[in-house]
Amino acid sequence: GAVVSQHPSWVICKSGTSVKIECRSLDFQATTMFWYRQFPKQSLMLMATSNEGSKATYEQGVEKDKFLINHASLTLSTLTVTSAHPEDSSFYICSATGRSSYNSPLHFGNGTRLTVT
Amino acid sequence: QKEVEQDPGPLSVPEGAIVSLNCTYSNSAFQYFMWYRQYSRKGPELLMYTYSSGNKEDGRFTAQVDKSSKYISLFIRDSQPSDSATYLCAMSQSGAGSYQLTFGKGTKLSVIP
Repeated sequence: GAVVSQHPSWVICKSGTSVKIECRSLDFQATTMFWYRQFPKQSLMLMATSNEGSKATYEQGVEKDKFLINHASLTLSTLTVTSAHPEDSSFYICSATGRSSYNSPLHFGNGTRLTVT
Repeated sequence: QKEVEQDPGPLSVPEGAIVSLNCTYSNSAFQYFMWYRQYSRKGPELLMYTYSSGNKEDGRFTAQVDKSSKYISLFIRDSQPSDSATYLCAMSQSGAGSYQLTFGKGTKLSVIP
């Protein structure tokens, strides 16, 4: 089945610094990648949708200047949390889908736990 | 009313029990229904995928969709300690891989040996 790899699995950073999270599709071309955030005991909340080669579409309430998304190739999307603050501490998860799999369920990465001190 | 309601639990059952998990929803346009299993500090793993109404069985897992009642269920037979996880329902009206996927909050399940 489709495999989505996410790196790093956890990161601790100081307030005010930036953190980059990578999401890779290992065995298919991901035309679309999704970035979610999950707070403890809460469900996944979609932050943004990124299509290869174009600007990401952000959900309402998500600051595009704070959460920079780049989807430069069909196998890689990155999420950069800029000027991170403790309230950005969360579990960030990516998922991906390909051209021929729009109606196929999403496969998710293993998530990145971000802790901002 | 939230679009998707799911009892967060926690739900504790003895090993070997039949587990019933469910979600209700309000949007009658939902057509694609999924169940994901999420272990602690891991991403969701797809368990079952159903289009429209009906039942689907895969090993110890059975998914049911009742669109008339806007109710979906996941049954786990002969539950094992390794089934201990959070189970998320998800649904969409425009494709299972759509950005318009709506998740439930998840039900935390513990299977006690």
